[in-house]
Amino acid sequence: KNQVEQSPQSLIILEGKNCTLQCNYTVSPFSNLRWYKQDTGRGPVSLTIMTFSENTKSNGRYTATLDADTKQSSLHITASQLSDSASYICVVSDRGSTLGRLYFGRGTQLTVWP
Amino acid sequence: EADIYQTPRYLVIGTGKKITLECSQTMGHDKMYWYQQDPGMELHLIHYSYGVNSTEKGDLSSESTVSRIRTEHFPLTLESARPSHTSQYLCASSLAMLPGLYEQYFGPGTRLTVT
Repeated sequence: KNQVEQSPQSLIILEGKNCTLQCNYTVSPFSNLRWYKQDTGRGPVSLTIMTFSENTKSNGRYTATLDADTKQSSLHITASQLSDSASYICVVSDRGSTLGRLYFGRGTQLTVWP
Repeated sequence: EADIYQTPRYLVIGTGKKITLECSQTMGHDKMYWYQQDPGMELHLIHYSYGVNSTEKGDLSSESTVSRIRTEHFPLTLESARPSHTSQYLCASSLAMLPGLYEQYFGPGTRLTVT
């Protein structure tokens, strides 16, 4: 069964600190992995997309890593800001999915305190 | 920022009413999707469309129906709303970046409450 598991479920950090969110998946055959940021009451917004051949990708203060052998990914946030408070969702797509269908994790709820 | 719109943003309605959730995108994307999301839970695909006059059911069984008469418009209808339909409904559309690699853009969502 194709699944995406994220940890921790929730995380509280102080403004300015760094944090790392984890994602494990069993989706096969693997095509690509995305990290989305979802603010409360809003739709998800894409942060990064990584294909099989990529093992790291950055978008500003966000850096995602991918280990396709162990089927793990992480999202590292540096110098956190209050606006980083959101749910971060790991999403995996299987290869050859012409629809572009995605398998979603439940997200990590990040809260940044001043 | 993606040009995909959903209306209404919030809807509170009584049991048994018929409702239509609107979704429009101005990006010319062929593929469109409807997801259902409960608090703290993952998104579940309930409907999708490859293009005009194409609609398919997703992974999660839903009593809602959809139509795709125009490329830019993908409304979702509930003929008789029930409290179990209370949820957030997210519309998305996608653009092919590479063969097999699609970027999905999400609308802001409609928060539906059925009393």
